[in-house]
Amino acid sequence: DTEVTQTPKHLVMGMTNKKSLKCEQHMGHRAMYWYKQKAKKPPELMFVYSYEKLSINESVPSRFSPECPNSSLLNLHLHALQPEDSALYLCASSQAPLGAVTQYFGPGTRLTVL
Amino acid sequence: AQSVAQPEDQVNVAEGNPLTVKCTYSVSGNPYLFWYVQYPNRGLQFLLKYITGDNLVKGSYGFEAEFNKSQTSFHLKKPSALVSDSALYFCAVRPLMNRDDKIIFGKGTRLHILP
Repeated sequence: DTEVTQTPKHLVMGMTNKKSLKCEQHMGHRAMYWYKQKAKKPPELMFVYSYEKLSINESVPSRFSPECPNSSLLNLHLHALQPEDSALYLCASSQAPLGAVTQYFGPGTRLTVL
Repeated sequence: AQSVAQPEDQVNVAEGNPLTVKCTYSVSGNPYLFWYVQYPNRGLQFLLKYITGDNLVKGSYGFEAEFNKSQTSFHLKKPSALVSDSALYFCAVRPLMNRDDKIIFGKGTRLHILP
């Protein structure tokens, strides 16, 4: 099973709201990723967690706050977002950090910021 | 700078014809190479990858890709296109020399199979 699940599928929020995106995998993967994808563009890496520790932060604004409570879960906490943050947010996981490991993607959360 | 190029924004192919989606890369050293497909409003699905060995890699849904080191290319191919193959295709590369988990995506190519 190579399934990564994400909730919610769609999210509409105002600029003053606080919300969270959730990602879960039960493949025993030890690396998890958040990407942001604008329409018809490639995914842009935001964060990488390796063995539940943040290993990469691609200079993402602090209004995005990742959290990895355990090896199966990855959250992205959102606060005071801007309309330009509207995008598809993808979670991915891979078996282990580094190497030729395949990243498996979830279906994404479509975020709209009003 | 390390990069991946997909020179075609869109490729149109008649159903039943062979298809090719082009990808070239520019990285230091040898790379790991990947192809992903994305259907509308969905996440990316892994198709295939090249690590080492045989230059022809076979993947999901009848797709294959050929690694050409001299031309630094990794073109995606399928002998007979299906309408259901219509989607957005991303080539990606992870340089072996990189000491992080980043992969570099191409801009994507929209494949349109005409019935």
